[in-house]
Amino acid sequence: DAMVIQNPRYQVTQFGKPVTLSCSQTLNHNVMYWYQQKSSQAPKLLFHYYDKDFNNEADTPDNFQSRRPNTSFCFLDIRSPGLGDAAMYLCATNLAGGPEETQYFGPGTRLLVL
Amino acid sequence: AQSVTQLGSHVSVSEGALVLLRCNYSSSVPPYLFWYVQYPNQGLQLLLKYTSAATLVKGINGFEAEFKKSETSFHLTKPSAHMSGAAEYFCAVYHGSSNTGKLIFGQGTTLQVKP
Repeated sequence: DAMVIQNPRYQVTQFGKPVTLSCSQTLNHNVMYWYQQKSSQAPKLLFHYYDKDFNNEADTPDNFQSRRPNTSFCFLDIRSPGLGDAAMYLCATNLAGGPEETQYFGPGTRLLVL
Repeated sequence: AQSVTQLGSHVSVSEGALVLLRCNYSSSVPPYLFWYVQYPNQGLQLLLKYTSAATLVKGINGFEAEFKKSETSFHLTKPSAHMSGAAEYFCAVYHGSSNTGKLIFGQGTTLQVKP
């Protein structure tokens, strides 16, 4: 089945230690999104790629970076995680970013910062 | 700018009862509206979407929603609640244009289903 895959499902890191979360998709979609979701809150968009074009949200901290080496893979790098970065990180895709299109979400990676 | 407001952060119903989850939108242009469901420790899954075709939209798992422009609402309903429907429900509106567009989510409503 075509899907959005996130690894690992759970990630523990230390305060200030860089961490990378990964997302892959078999849908061949052009657009990939990264969301941060804290407990009992709505997903908050961090940034997205339309193909190779990177779109950063204005309020996304510089501590968060992303890479998309090819259509299938996208990475979220947190350069120096703080305690406030503990959250669920969701990856999503859609075909071309149009308003009527469905976003397909991965299962998420829950990040714990010690 | 587009936005959505979900009325009621928690809704509790008995199994078999009607489910009604409320969503109101604000948009300066004809909106594209979505309902997503999130089960614990999972990603979001689309239930249904309004894309300016029929105002009554049917989705998966017996859910439906009606777009009412006069009330700026897009409430989600299901005739009979099931225990398996206990989850977090998010209403969302599309904001922007194709290359840079995004979903704006409401704060979510937790649905509790009592036996």
